[in-house]
Amino acid sequence: AQTVTQSQPEMSVQEAETVTLSCTYDTSESDYYLFWYKQPPSRQMILVIRQEAYKQQNATENRFSVNFQKAAKSFSLKISDSQLGDAAMYFCAYRSYGGSQGNLIFGKGTKLSVKP
Amino acid sequence: EPEVTQTPSHQVTQMGQEVILRCVPISNHLYFYWYRQILGQKVEFLVSFYNNEISEKSEIFDDQFSVERPDGSNFTLKIRSTKLEDSAMYFCASSVVGQGSQPQHFGDGTRLSIL
Repeated sequence: AQTVTQSQPEMSVQEAETVTLSCTYDTSESDYYLFWYKQPPSRQMILVIRQEAYKQQNATENRFSVNFQKAAKSFSLKISDSQLGDAAMYFCAYRSYGGSQGNLIFGKGTKLSVKP
Repeated sequence: EPEVTQTPSHQVTQMGQEVILRCVPISNHLYFYWYRQILGQKVEFLVSFYNNEISEKSEIFDDQFSVERPDGSNFTLKIRSTKLEDSAMYFCASSVVGQGSQPQHFGDGTRLSIL
């Protein structure tokens, strides 16, 4: 079974600085998808960024980028120019490729605080 | 932007009672999910639903749980004979397709408190 591990329960960053959130996963599959979700205090989880395992190029979305290391099974999220609105829980999630395994497997999350 | 909506936002129920959590997925989505997040723990998959039947369920989703799409818009999770350990946030999600990199869109969640 696949597992997702986020080793940082909490992180803090100064506004305008850069922060990296760690995520590792365990799988025997060669194709899969990885996601970062953000859960602000309002509780709705919002997709931040996604990565297809078969793509070597790291995904980027504005200030958000990932460092995807397939061999190391690592999928870290970098937030550049941090803003107060980035404060939230961040969840790393795994999804199998194909078949009926459409569900997401989540890590425990990292609580990010942004200091003004 | 369309959203997944969940009601109620908070449900308090006596142990042993039945509870129904409601969700309205995004209108053109075809795949529906329920997840659970016990306080301080990770979000856990419960069940996925497509074409009016369960397509996948986790070991958590035992006979105590059931899902239904009673009409063209609602997607419900019923928990029978609730237990203290059912207290959690329950999230509904929907997606256009059930595979691939297409994201699942989540609702705000229902906080279920069992007394």
